[in-house]
Amino acid sequence: DAKTTQPTSMDCAEGRAANLPCNHSTISGNEYVYWYRQIHSQGPQYIIHGLKNNETNEMASLIITEDRKSSTLILPHATLRDTAVYYCIVSSYTGTASKLTFGTGTRLQVTL
Amino acid sequence: DSGVTQTPKHLITATGQRVTLRCSPRSGDLSVYWYQQSLDQGLQFLIQYYNGEERAKGNILERFSAQQFPDLHSELNLSSLELGDSALYFCASSVEGSGGAGETQYFGPGTRLLVL
Repeated sequence: DAKTTQPTSMDCAEGRAANLPCNHSTISGNEYVYWYRQIHSQGPQYIIHGLKNNETNEMASLIITEDRKSSTLILPHATLRDTAVYYCIVSSYTGTASKLTFGTGTRLQVTL
Repeated sequence: DSGVTQTPKHLITATGQRVTLRCSPRSGDLSVYWYQQSLDQGLQFLIQYYNGEERAKGNILERFSAQQFPDLHSELNLSSLELGDSALYFCASSVEGSGGAGETQYFGPGTRLLVL
């Protein structure tokens, strides 16, 4: 499984963009980058995923570098409710099975 | 709300006992995954089922077992419980479980198990 490296914690002012970086230098060509977040002890919440191209949905944008060795999750206008642990994950699958390997994530604190 | 349901929400039991955690996947999803989250280990993949068959195994102890029923709900059985089994147990589901084309897993709210 490709490993990911994320900063342990980050702060962001409410209303500003939160940019969460992730390194995944050993990612394989067919592995996707996923972002999940976990608010307190709730179930992980899917945010976005991508393979090569940048992606955007109603929650966030995902920017993947051309060499695919790193990515950035962007929350365009962070609110207090975005305070959570954010996990960058490279999914692994064998063609018949898949699993997510969670690291320690980035604890994002959004402040007033 | 992800559409994945888990029962019970909380479970308190004693060492040596056996418990069963239940998971109902999202409508239409055939694959179910179980994860364990403890304070010192983070979120760890335990096992995956697809349409009733085991597909992949992770760090699942021999004291633990799971199954997926014809109606696609899944149960995780934990036996001979130890203090260290206290954790959050999450179930996730996806359409096929093959992971192809960036197949997304959706997580349930979890079951908090406390072993005393």
